[in-house]
Amino acid sequence: SYVLTQPPSVSVAPGQTASISCGGNNIGSKTVHWYQHKPGQAPVLVVHDDYDRPSGIPERFSGSTSGNTATLTISRVEAGDEADYYCQVWDGGSDVYVFGTGTKVTVL
Amino acid sequence: QVQLQESGPRLVTPSETLSLTCTVSGDSIYNYYWSWVRQPAGRGLEWVGRIFPGGRIDYNPSLTGRVLMSVDTSKNQVSLTLTSVTAADSAVYYCARGRGLVDSVFYYDMDVWGRGTTVTVSS
Repeated sequence: SYVLTQPPSVSVAPGQTASISCGGNNIGSKTVHWYQHKPGQAPVLVVHDDYDRPSGIPERFSGSTSGNTATLTISRVEAGDEADYYCQVWDGGSDVYVFGTGTKVTVL
Repeated sequence: QVQLQESGPRLVTPSETLSLTCTVSGDSIYNYYWSWVRQPAGRGLEWVGRIFPGGRIDYNPSLTGRVLMSVDTSKNQVSLTLTSVTAADSAVYYCARGRGLVDSVFYYDMDVWGRGTTVTVSS
């Protein structure tokens, strides 16, 4: 089965940039989506189709993909960005949605 | 604005059946497809399955044989049934909307989620 690997945690100071990686075999051939999930709340789609932002998501959130790694970048990090972040793809080979292992972003 | 509300029993006895409902308000369920996603305590998100109101259903192979999804268009609801539950099925269960086919492009993201409902499997 297809596996997406993320770092367990990322720490960043306010105003700095956080980069969250999502590794998967030939992930560049798939479309990647990113979700922000705060405790007790509904997950929020922050990037879809590799780099597009849904309406209402700040431009500080951006996505990119290259080779076997997709990256979510959060610029000018704010305290409110502290959350778990998950990448997700559709594995057409097995008709399964696959989520990454998740990354906890801590704002120092 | 579309809203999703999950509901169902919070406690289920081992070996019994878990049944959850997602009530959709603010839009018709015909226009999208619908997924269930769960998150065991302290762990990541796991896709359970998706259903298209037109009939297609896909399940996570790890749950095949135990999971059923259905829609009630008259009530604008999506349902999840999971049989023979064990403690490993204890989780927060989320309902999520998939945009599907838009302008000849199929989108595989989930753009609206419910707040989830916590289910504990225990005797």
